[in-house]
Amino acid sequence: GDSVTQMEGPVTLSEEAFLTINCTYTATGYPSLFWYVQYPGEGLQLLLKATKADDKGSNKGFEATYRKETTSFHLEKGSVQVSDSAVYFCALSDSNYQLIWGAGTKLIIKP
Amino acid sequence: KAGVTQTPRYLIKTRGQQVTLSCSPISGHRSVSWYQQTPGQGLQFLFEYFSETQRNKGNFPGRFSGRQFSNSRSEMNVSTLELGDSALYLCASSFEGSTEAFFGQGTRLTVV
Repeated sequence: GDSVTQMEGPVTLSEEAFLTINCTYTATGYPSLFWYVQYPGEGLQLLLKATKADDKGSNKGFEATYRKETTSFHLEKGSVQVSDSAVYFCALSDSNYQLIWGAGTKLIIKP
Repeated sequence: KAGVTQTPRYLIKTRGQQVTLSCSPISGHRSVSWYQQTPGQGLQFLFEYFSETQRNKGNFPGRFSGRQFSNSRSEMNVSTLELGDSALYLCASSFEGSTEAFFGQGTRLTVV
């Protein structure tokens, strides 16, 4: 079945550092891909999405590009802030509109 | 416009009891999905409803059930609670045909 694999955390960075969180997927067909963020004690917020190959999703300085050839959707940000500390989830939407989730990556940004 | 609303935010129940959680989707959204989030298993899909019909179901025992009303509000029920049912239960709504899901803040269920 479809699956999502993302890098394990926690990822600890200093403020203003460059961020990459790796995400790869296996899927039949052409899923939509998402990054969601979860702040402590909160639900999930959609950070960005891409619906077809070579699409780039972006929001709040975060970017991810749908790479069909490498089945990847890595999350990047050029300069992280303490407020970016959260858990980040990569997900795909299958043909039944069900979200398949990665395990989540905890990001810790130190001042 | 109002987001997805889940009630209650927190619940403490005893083993063997049953519980009902409620979810009000964003106005105009007819699809409602439920997910269970635990530290050990991560996020797992429970079921999805559209126009009062269950369209998809995850791999959970029959103790987990749900329904959707004509106004698209949804409830999920867990009977004969077990300690392992302690989790954050998340509800998400979306437009028909959309892959973009909007989540509520969740209901934190603790079974003691």
